[in-house]
Amino acid sequence: GNSVTQMEGPVTLSEEAFLTINCTYTATGYPSLFWYVQYPGEGLQLLLKATKADDKGSNKGFEATYRKETTSFHLEKGSVQVSDSAVYFCALKFTGNQFYFGTGTSLTVIP
Amino acid sequence: EAGVTQFPSHSVIEKGQTVTLRCDPISGHDNLYWYRRVMGKEIKFLLHFVKESKQDESGMPNNRFLAERTGGTYSTLKVQPAELEDSGVYFCASSRGGVAGSYEQYFGPGTRLTVT
Repeated sequence: GNSVTQMEGPVTLSEEAFLTINCTYTATGYPSLFWYVQYPGEGLQLLLKATKADDKGSNKGFEATYRKETTSFHLEKGSVQVSDSAVYFCALKFTGNQFYFGTGTSLTVIP
Repeated sequence: EAGVTQFPSHSVIEKGQTVTLRCDPISGHDNLYWYRRVMGKEIKFLLHFVKESKQDESGMPNNRFLAERTGGTYSTLKVQPAELEDSGVYFCASSRGGVAGSYEQYFGPGTRLTVT
């Protein structure tokens, strides 16, 4: 079946620290991979995506590379800010079908 | 352009009662999806409408859940009777027409349902 496993939180970092949120997946086929972010009181927003192996998605300083050999899509940012505090969801999707999400990782960045 | 809106933002009901959640998709979006996140777990797909038709309802947990999208605009999700395990956050998402997977799904803020 299809599933996504992401590192459990909560994660607390100081401002300007390096962030990694691990995400691995199991899929029957070759899905597209996504990171969504939910800021407090808001809906899920697409952060970045990658549609095939070795693609790198990037946005707002965040990056993730689609690694087929390790079935991973880890999220990284070199220097986090307080405004990055949110819940981050890793997800996979096949064209025309629904998303399969991970459990979400809560990130708090302290000044 | 307004985003996906959901009402109410939070609902607290007693076990055995009925609750109806509403989702207004982005205007012109033919695809509408419902998802649910139970506390601490992953967000799970419930069902997918294309206009007023149910394209995929494989994620609906049981027959206590009824989703409708009359006229192909807004959608409602009714839970009757509600059980404790129905507590969670219910998300709605919409996307444009055509091949559904080709277009980004825009999510609403969710409705937090608490069943006591």
